[in-house]
Amino acid sequence: EPEVTQTPSHQVTQMGQEVILRCVPISNHLYFYWYRQILGQKVEFLVSFYNNEISEKSEIFDDQFSVERPDGSNFTLKIRSTKLEDSAMYFCASSMTGADQPQHFGDGTRLSIL
Amino acid sequence: DQQVKQNSPSLSVQEGRISILNCDYTNSMFDYFLWYKKYPAEGPTFLISISSIKDKNEDGRFTVFLNKSAKHLSLHIVPSQPGDSAVYFCAASTYNFNKFYFGSGTKLNVKP
Repeated sequence: EPEVTQTPSHQVTQMGQEVILRCVPISNHLYFYWYRQILGQKVEFLVSFYNNEISEKSEIFDDQFSVERPDGSNFTLKIRSTKLEDSAMYFCASSMTGADQPQHFGDGTRLSIL
Repeated sequence: DQQVKQNSPSLSVQEGRISILNCDYTNSMFDYFLWYKKYPAEGPTFLISISSIKDKNEDGRFTVFLNKSAKHLSLHIVPSQPGDSAVYFCAASTYNFNKFYFGSGTKLNVKP
């Protein structure tokens, strides 16, 4: 069964540094998402992406965050200047048709900011 | 932004019995509701969903019930198995917006 893959599984970064989290969505999916889960808390929506542009974003997704689909297969989340509070699990998800279909999630990247 | 709430952080059930996980929501515009299961160190895995035009959807051991007037949905697992032990998240969306809201999760422990 096709799956969403995320790399790296764990990223350790110094505060203030830029970090890029990578995702390869399922190949025939058209809608892409990033979520985060701070330890012990709920899964929080960050951003959705369709047709090479952001379709929705949350208040968490401020100017420090950006997303890109650089080559038709990868979907990346960039955090420009990381803060301690960015430490979390980041999940990528994809779906075929958007908000009327379940999403397929990757196993996440654990981001640790020191 | 607590549009979806799961008020029980944990639930313990004996193997073979029914597990009932509950979820409440505040936004009457939600069109689509889902349940996900999550094991440690893995991403959420889709379990079952229901559209707002239905009040029940069944898939094997899993049944989701939707009560729109109460803004409440529940997931029934019958019979419960030890492999069902995981964190269960409910989620909701509106078709017009490409955005999903998740609850805080309920950790289910099924005892052998």
